[in-house]
Amino acid sequence: QQQVKQSPQSLIVQKGGISIINCAYENTAFDYFPWYQQFPGKGPALLIAIRPDVSEKKEGRFTISFNKSAKQFSLHIMDSQPGDSATYFCAASKTGTASKLTFGTGTRLQVTL
Amino acid sequence: DAGVTQSPTHLIKTRGQQVTLRCSPKSGHDTVSWYQQALGQGPQFIFQYYEEEERQRGNFPDRFSGHQFPNYSSELNVNALLLGDSALYLCASSSTRTAHNEQFFGPGTRLTVL
Repeated sequence: QQQVKQSPQSLIVQKGGISIINCAYENTAFDYFPWYQQFPGKGPALLIAIRPDVSEKKEGRFTISFNKSAKQFSLHIMDSQPGDSATYFCAASKTGTASKLTFGTGTRLQVTL
Repeated sequence: DAGVTQSPTHLIKTRGQQVTLRCSPKSGHDTVSWYQQALGQGPQFIFQYYEEEERQRGNFPDRFSGHQFPNYSSELNVNALLLGDSALYLCASSSTRTAHNEQFFGPGTRLTVL
């Protein structure tokens, strides 16, 4: 059972544009939603994370929007740059002792010049 | 401050063999989780170790086992390797002393089973 659904599978954005990646979850017990960035041959790197008590969190060019009632959250990358070209994964977990991350299937982002 | 380190970087084994992968957590972290990432997929949780005990386990067979040492480092063992075990194995560390249990990943070990 896939508990975190991610779309789109791939995305091509022009330099300077906005990249938007969406995720939906099923388990209402999840209370921590991180986004990871992964370059080929590397491990995932934590980008930004949000908890359900806020609807938006911004760090630099990266923003997470969270809709608790719809059980959806999204990553917005403003002013996308070629160096942002990577695979992005959303994830979800419950904090505390049961802190395993459940990942989405990933979005391959390509930012063109 | 060193991040999460894993060894070896790459490994090639044949079906039926056994393999041991190693992980050193980020300084100050006490919890280690292992994930399997097949090509083109998101990481899948294998298990998590805290205080030298397996605290949580994903949907993986008993062929997958692990260990955590007193210095918080960890090993992942896979017995009777199958072709389908070929994947990137990721170790992530976190601290129970932080409120959010943020997990930081190592570079992974690429396992190829022939």
